[in-house]
Amino acid sequence: AQTVTQSQPEMSVQEAETVTLSCTYDTSESNYYLFWYKQPPSRQMILVIRQEAYKQQNATENRFSVNFQKAAKSFSLKISDSQLGDTAMYFCAFMSSSNTGKLIFGQGTTLQVKP
Amino acid sequence: SQTIHQWPATLVQPVGSPLSLECTVEGTSNPNLYWYRQAAGRGLQLLFYSIGIDQISSEVPQNLSASRPQDRQFILSSKKLLLSDSGFYLCAWSGGALGNTIYFGEGSWLTVV
Repeated sequence: AQTVTQSQPEMSVQEAETVTLSCTYDTSESNYYLFWYKQPPSRQMILVIRQEAYKQQNATENRFSVNFQKAAKSFSLKISDSQLGDTAMYFCAFMSSSNTGKLIFGQGTTLQVKP
Repeated sequence: SQTIHQWPATLVQPVGSPLSLECTVEGTSNPNLYWYRQAAGRGLQLLFYSIGIDQISSEVPQNLSASRPQDRQFILSSKKLLLSDSGFYLCAWSGGALGNTIYFGEGSWLTVV
């Protein structure tokens, strides 16, 4: 069975600084998808970034980028130029290519951006 | 563009009462639809998914059921709520040109008292 682990329950960063959130996962599959979702106080789950396992190039979305290390089964999220609106809980999630729709979530990391 | 809406946003229901949460998707056809539940401060757990009208699969045995009477409508129901049904419920969809990425609705916070 697949598992996703986020080892940092809470993190904080100063506004305009850079922060990296860690995520590791366990799977025996070779083809899958990885995601980072953001859940602000409103509780809506918002997609931040998506990575397909067969792509070697790390995904980037504006200030958000990932460091995908397939062999190490690591998928970290880097937030550059942190903004107050980035304050939220961040979830790493795994989805098998053969079981689309079933996201396996990590425990989440609460990120606070300080002014 | 595609949008997803679910309602009500919050509700407080007594034990033993029925439940109906509704979700609709606009801007796409034949989406895959999902109901997830989130326990306090934790990740989400998939409850149901649907690949088409009246095609529902359940991931976890529970006191809840789901129905899809129309292509873009997904309903979560219960005949008699339990205290353990309390939680945050999110409807989600995937499909079309966006492929395997799942997008979530605003969520519904259910408190059973």
